[in-house]
Amino acid sequence: KAGVTQTPRYLIKTRGQQVTLSCSPISGHRSVSWYQQTPGQGLQFLFEYFSETQRNKGNFPGRFSGRQFSNSRSEMNVSTLELGDSALYLCASSLAGTGSTEAFFGQGTRLTVV
Amino acid sequence: ELKVEQNPLFLSMQEGKNYTIYCNYSTTSDRLYWYRQDPGKSLESLFVLLSNGAVKQEGRLMASLDTKARLSTLHITAAVHDLSATYFCAVDMGTGNQFYFGTGTSLTVIP
Repeated sequence: KAGVTQTPRYLIKTRGQQVTLSCSPISGHRSVSWYQQTPGQGLQFLFEYFSETQRNKGNFPGRFSGRQFSNSRSEMNVSTLELGDSALYLCASSLAGTGSTEAFFGQGTRLTVV
Repeated sequence: ELKVEQNPLFLSMQEGKNYTIYCNYSTTSDRLYWYRQDPGKSLESLFVLLSNGAVKQEGRLMASLDTKARLSTLHITAAVHDLSATYFCAVDMGTGNQFYFGTGTSLTVIP
């Protein structure tokens, strides 16, 4: 059974650019959530999508956005990149996203903003 | 805002010893998860605790949940080097696949 796949694994971008990250959940999983991990702030929730709808949103600026497609694959976009956006971005998929099922994480995308 | 605190932040222990990592959270929740992260890697699910009094064990690790005290513990028995990693607890608010993570405990097991 394939796990959660995130692409690309590594990215280097320049300040002011935008970036799109992709997450393919485990087959059959309909909930995808995104997290930012930095040494200073730890793991922080960005947003969650379920059946193509954003169901929850964390406390991040509007430069961070996402979407989910009908096959449950999700993308997140960061516009006008800042140095502080350098982080490991993780996505997690779960079956129903009701909180009573296990969430599985992808390998992450390491974004470096220079 | 929900706060999830773990202690200790750093733990260095000798092989064969026992120790406990604590996870306190600030609001009512009966869904608590433990994850392990190796350097440069993703998060690996260890335990899912879904009710007050839940206890789960896997190998040398045992996790428990006390929702009234808003406390979960991860107990390590007879530590071995392979357990060296960072351990995170996470609370789910029950509104979806949305976790609030603790600060993490970096565990180093010394031979």
